Amino acid sequence: GAVVSQHPSRVICKSGTSVKIECRSLDFQATTMFWYRQFPKQSLMLMATSNEGSKATYEQGVEKDKFLINHASLTLSTLTVTSAHPEDSSFYICSAGGSTSGRFYEQFFGPGTRLTVL
Amino acid sequence: AQKVTQAQTEISVVEKEDVTLDCVYETRDTTYYLFWYKQPPSGELVFLIRRNSFDEQNEISGRYSWNFQKSTSSFNFTITASQVVDSAVYFCALSLRAGGTSYGKLTFGQGTILTVHP
Repeated sequence: GAVVSQHPSRVICKSGTSVKIECRSLDFQATTMFWYRQFPKQSLMLMATSNEGSKATYEQGVEKDKFLINHASLTLSTLTVTSAHPEDSSFYICSAGGSTSGRFYEQFFGPGTRLTVL
Repeated sequence: AQKVTQAQTEISVVEKEDVTLDCVYETRDTTYYLFWYKQPPSGELVFLIRRNSFDEQNEISGRYSWNFQKSTSSFNFTITASQVVDSAVYFCALSLRAGGTSYGKLTFGQGTILTVHP
């Protein structure tokens, strides 16, 4: 149980285009989803926290207009990287919490999406 | 603010050696959760263990063991008789208990790259 999927797993795009990454909780309802970014050989940095039906809360230094997050349902959150540039190339990981078992302290991680902007 | 420090950036051992990964955390809260995750080359985070701040019992799971000491704010991870498949990046993380149905944010350490040579 508590499986989280991400799609796509890998994406290559041209500079200036927008890319959408989906994060789905497959077997539980996720009231909260988190989006992380990881550069090579570095740790995970939290970008934003989204609660179903409300606006995402962004961490300091993360551009809201650049990284659009939508959490429209209890099983789906999307991250859209708008007008992507090479410096946006990174590994993006989502996690979900809110298992119906009430395990409020635990996040379940997706497999990640590797974005390469040419 | 919370902080997690993994002082060992990289560790290299030969198969069958025991290895301990250090983790030191900082928080002013009395209720918190500590985690260890493994990140193999594929990138997907693998959950290893969760400990809450009121449970200082050490835990053993197969070749893995964890030593939680509140007095030194440490949560160290030992792999006994290491194997090549243990090669990965290991992250220690801390989360606070949030109120209601809100999730506490995870604060990750910098990660330790473990390489086990045959």
